[in-house]
Amino acid sequence: GQSLEQPSEVTAVEGAIVQINCTYQTSGFYGLSWYQQHDGGAPTFLSYNALDGLEETGRFSSFLSRSDSYGYLLLQELQMKDSASYFCAVRVQAGTALIFGKGTTLSVSS
Amino acid sequence: GAVVSQHPSRVICKSGTSVKIECRSLDFQATTMFWYRQFPKQSLMLMATSNEGSKATYEQGVEKDKFLINHASLTLSTLTVTSAHPEDSSFYICSAHWSGGASNEQFFGPGTRLTVL
Repeated sequence: GQSLEQPSEVTAVEGAIVQINCTYQTSGFYGLSWYQQHDGGAPTFLSYNALDGLEETGRFSSFLSRSDSYGYLLLQELQMKDSASYFCAVRVQAGTALIFGKGTTLSVSS
Repeated sequence: GAVVSQHPSRVICKSGTSVKIECRSLDFQATTMFWYRQFPKQSLMLMATSNEGSKATYEQGVEKDKFLINHASLTLSTLTVTSAHPEDSSFYICSAHWSGGASNEQFFGPGTRLTVL
């Protein structure tokens, strides 16, 4: 089976930095993606890592270590609007569906 | 980025009726679309992979006779929940695979919230 583990909840204050970790055990690996989902909404794409290292997109960065089957999403300069659920997802081979982790609920307070 | 639409966005129906949900890729052709279901406070669970012109591939535990999928064109896939029951109430989300982008990304529709009374 496929499994992706991430913390269920994270809390932080505005302006802080938060790291959400994801470890995966899958039958194949074709990249790690991160999605944000606000209550009642659809998931929106944040970041994608196919190779080891750090990818930076504005306030969000994502890291991948394939040898450790591990990645993380780093959110900087947190804002209230960043309160949402964050999912890591793996595609086990090209063209197949993303398999999602259980999600991390981030709560940002003032 | 590529745009995927879903219709309807919200539907309420009586138990025993059938509901059809449409998923369209608006600005690209998608040979493969995926259907997910998400219960409150839970993750997205893959239900099936929809391939244009062929039968859908269902995940283990998903009843193919209850969740009928048709992918008749490169821009449209439909999911029909037949004889819906209250336990089918959920958020149904489709996505389309676009191989043209650098990230080989999967684009999601806005979702359909189904409530079965």
